[in-house]
Amino acid sequence: GAVVSQHPSRVICKSGTSVKIECRSLDFQATTMFWYRQFPKKSLMLMATSNEGSKATYEQGVEKDKFLINHASLTLSTLTVTSAHPEDSSFYICSARELDGSSYEQYFGPGTRLTVT
Amino acid sequence: GQNIDQPTEMTATEGAIVQINCTYQTSGFNGLFWYQQHAGEAPTFLSYNVLDGLEEKGRFSSFLSRSKGYSYLLLKELQMKDSASYLCAVLSNDYKLSFGAGTTVTVRA
Repeated sequence: GAVVSQHPSRVICKSGTSVKIECRSLDFQATTMFWYRQFPKKSLMLMATSNEGSKATYEQGVEKDKFLINHASLTLSTLTVTSAHPEDSSFYICSARELDGSSYEQYFGPGTRLTVT
Repeated sequence: GQNIDQPTEMTATEGAIVQINCTYQTSGFNGLFWYQQHAGEAPTFLSYNVLDGLEEKGRFSSFLSRSKGYSYLLLKELQMKDSASYLCAVLSNDYKLSFGAGTTVTVRA
């Protein structure tokens, strides 16, 4: 099956610093990648939709200048949390949709646990 | 807006059957997904329903009624490894997924 990787799996950073999270589709090309965040025992909340070669589309309430998304190729999207604060601590999950997929299934990465101290 | 409801927790005995219900009110509908998520891990795909009726896949089955805005996931012959969170997600008209809060299923011996 389709595999999506995320790096790093865990990161601890100090308040005010920036953190970059990578999302890669390993064995397929993805026109569209999605970024979610999940708080403990809560649902996945869509943050933004990332399309290769174009600007990301952010959901209402998500600050685009704080959560920078770059989708440089059909296999890589990055999320940079800028000037991180403790309230940004969360589980960040990406997913990818196949370029020529016949379904709308999204393949999820293993997630990145961000802790801001 | 999107409104997707599912129970918070369910407990069942190994070998038993559990049914997880999901009701939804969404702006547009292009199908409903069920995912399994173990703590600290990514969701894994279980099923996709876009037409009314029952889809059976081994021990797991999923049902959809579009007119009622209702789906359920049926887990049969429960095993300890089935203890996880089960997420109901609706694909809207713009092909984005909206998730319910998840149902934590605990399987007891």
